[in-house]
Amino acid sequence: GAVVSQHPSWVICKSGTSVKIECRSLDFQATTMFWYRQFPKQSLMLMATSNEGSKATYEQGVEKDKFLINHASLTLSTLTVTSAHPEDSSFYICSATNPETPAGEQFFGPGTRLTVL
Amino acid sequence: KQEVTQIPAALSVPEGENLVLNCSFTDSAIYNLQWFRQDPGKGLTSLLLIQSSQREQTSGRLNASLDKSSGRSTLYIAASQPGDSATYLCAVRDNYGQNFVFGPGTRLSVLP
Repeated sequence: GAVVSQHPSWVICKSGTSVKIECRSLDFQATTMFWYRQFPKQSLMLMATSNEGSKATYEQGVEKDKFLINHASLTLSTLTVTSAHPEDSSFYICSATNPETPAGEQFFGPGTRLTVL
Repeated sequence: KQEVTQIPAALSVPEGENLVLNCSFTDSAIYNLQWFRQDPGKGLTSLLLIQSSQREQTSGRLNASLDKSSGRSTLYIAASQPGDSATYLCAVRDNYGQNFVFGPGTRLSVLP
């Protein structure tokens, strides 16, 4: 299988605080992970591509200083939302490609719902 | 820039009907296309993956086709069930990168 987990599944924080979300590939090594954001009733929007051992690649319009991504190992990538504001409230989903499965298939985590008060 | 659209945006059918969901993309230079389902407030479940060299993939009651030249894919669901109610998303991976571009989704309701 190819299982991706996320922690926490939901988080509520006060405006101005920072929140860290973890994404783990449980049974495979993922050299690349992806972070998406989904607003209510909208589709997923790619935020950044996380590469193990190197800097993340951010999509246009995504503030790299606000959304810090660290991919320190082949099974873990973290997204830190710094100085969160209510407009950052969203559903954050990570995914990873498993190099041992048909090329390019992405496996998604269950998502993390962030609510900033 | 790749753009993905899905039609219809929402669909409501009685149980037992066969149905077709449509996905269109603007750049035919794709690496693969993947169909997902998403239940409310949940993550994505992969349904079918079609490589650019393939024309279709089947899994149980699901069949996905790909016509790369016309920029279209369809997801066929046979004998629909209430448990099929969810949002169905198609995503296209192009030849230039690793990321997927998602369509807006089709929200399906299968009525018992």
